[in-house]
Order: sequence, then structure tokens, then C-alpha cells
Amino acid sequence: GQNIDQPTEMTATEGAIVQINCTYQTSGFNGLFWYQQHAGEAPTFLSYNVLDGLEEKGRFSSFLSRSKGYSYLLLKELQMKDSASYLCAAILSGGSYIPTFGRGTSLIVHP
Amino acid sequence: SQTIHQWPATLVQPVGSPLSLECTVEGTSNPNLYWYRQAAGRGLQLLFYSVGIGQISSEVPQNLSASRPQDRQFILSSKKLLLSDSGFYLCAWKSRDSGNTIYFGEGSWLTVV
Repeated sequence: GQNIDQPTEMTATEGAIVQINCTYQTSGFNGLFWYQQHAGEAPTFLSYNVLDGLEEKGRFSSFLSRSKGYSYLLLKELQMKDSASYLCAAILSGGSYIPTFGRGTSLIVHP
Repeated sequence: SQTIHQWPATLVQPVGSPLSLECTVEGTSNPNLYWYRQAAGRGLQLLFYSVGIGQISSEVPQNLSASRPQDRQFILSSKKLLLSDSGFYLCAWKSRDSGNTIYFGEGSWLTVV
């Protein structure tokens, strides 16, 4: 997706911690989402950040810096089932509140 | 609680044939509705969105169309499919009254042969 950048692929070891970064254009910004998508399935909602800072939900945390146009998704105590694509999406157009999606980061967790 | 369903889950259609994918939302009124497409190796592309019955906005010019005949029903159609229409089609909804999060249906795999 235009104006949203995230790495294409990452690998990590079971039990470890991984951070998936996302950068976006700051003009018109109005919130950032993270979704998880397993192969062949629909995306499922993980988090939504609109204010600066870190939000934690169990093993997953999401961070936002509005001034830097930067977010990350932090996954702790990785499990094999965390192998999936992680989609960063930002509301960039102000009024319509429709998120623009990045191409996703494919995370491979190995034993 | 709110639920969203779309069907069919998979279909294989010949080039030039018509298409109809249907999506319904339960447990909410007057939602915003969306159709996205996800082609292999590419991100989610917004095709259409609707803020009410009969109100359709098109994001990408193509041979697809959308309709919203009822408040919680959204239909994606084509009169003549192209090979390039193959992909994973996702319907999604957002509450008009609370929050900006959109939620996706199960998806429909379309293969045009």
C-alpha cells in the first residue's frame, strides 16, 4: 500500500521476542492498526493506536510515535502459531477514516 | 455481538463469466461496508465502500461493481470476469457510531481460468 512501509519477511525463534516496524506518511494521520493474517484466512484485528505510547495486550504490544510516523508491533514469548502475516494499516486521509494497508510482514517462527 | 459472513468461500470461474459475491452483517445497524481484494504478494486493495443503502464509492476503476440493496447487505459483481480478477476478496464492516476499527469477513477465493 502506498505510503506505508514494513519489512517483507522476518524470522524468529520460538520463545523469543520480535519487533515488526511500520512507517507511514504523517499527513492526514488519524490512527494506526495492526492485523494478523494466517495463510488463507482473513485478517483479524490486533490493536489500534491513535495516541503516542505503548499499548499492551497479553503477549502483543503496539507502539506509536505520531511525530516520527512510526509504529511497531512487539510479540513476546513467540509460539509457532504466531507464524503469520502482520498487516500495518493507517488512517491517512483524515475525513473518510478508511485505513490504507501496507503489504504485510510475513513472520516465520521456527523451533 | 456483531458477525459478518460472506459467500461463497471459494469459486472457480471461466473468463468472461459473471460474478456475484455476497456479504451480510448481523448485530449492528447502518454500518460502513467495504470490499477489499488481496492479490498474491500484494497488500489489501480497497475496491468499494458504502456508508448507506444505495451509496457506493469506487476506489479503483475496473470491471467490478458493488451494490448495497439493504442496510446490512453488500454485493460485489462483475458481468465479465478477467484473469486479473483472481484473488482473495474480503468484505469488511465498521460501526458508524463507535471506533474506527474495521472487521473482516471470512474471505472468498476467486480463481478465474
